[in-house]
Amino acid sequence: RKEVEQDPGPFNVPEGATVAFNCTYSNSASQSFFWYRQDCRKEPKLLMSVYSSGNEDGRFTAQLNRASQYISLLIRDSKLSDSATYLCAVNSWNSGGSNYKLTFGKGTLLTVNP
Amino acid sequence: NAGVTQTPKFRVLKTGQSMTLLCAQDMNHEYMYWYRQDPGMGLRLIHYSVGEGTTAKGEVPDGYNVSRLKKQNFLLGLESAAPSQTSVYFCASEGTSANSGNTIYFGEGSWLTVV
Repeated sequence: RKEVEQDPGPFNVPEGATVAFNCTYSNSASQSFFWYRQDCRKEPKLLMSVYSSGNEDGRFTAQLNRASQYISLLIRDSKLSDSATYLCAVNSWNSGGSNYKLTFGKGTLLTVNP
Repeated sequence: NAGVTQTPKFRVLKTGQSMTLLCAQDMNHEYMYWYRQDPGMGLRLIHYSVGEGTTAKGEVPDGYNVSRLKKQNFLLGLESAAPSQTSVYFCASEGTSANSGNTIYFGEGSWLTVV
């Protein structure tokens, strides 16, 4: 099982639609979780950190389910400008506590159509 | 506020040539990472560092070497470039703030072509 797996997509949705992205992770000791947005030929940029209690930022809602080891991102009332690739990221220590790393999902391309 | 700076941004190499990509961050971060990104493969971790003088292998370390002699710099070296190393390379650094917890910042990327 890959460390971080993400919906392969792509997603094509009309403006105003609600779209959900899911990401599962294999390391139960993972500590921090993030959603990134990446525009074409640009670097990934942090969209949201994901907290245990869930968090919301305007039209964006992120949730964490530790029991099932997945995180989600919900975009409501999608805009043309939301078109991008969305990547989840997880960081964790290894079982021996000697190595720490940040692992990304492969990303899901979202296209919002007029 | 420069954040994370990568140089060079674009480079074409011949097979067998060597080169070094430089990543510099001015945020006093401990953790730094080098990723490569290829179509359909996502971001794959090459090497990373949890502090000055330390490095560790990531998911795809073969053909690359790294050094972290100074806290602010993380160098990625290709000793003998191969066409399979044609990719976009992203450096990132990670820090912790009271407001936002762990935050990862990326450089703008380095486009490398090996012919």
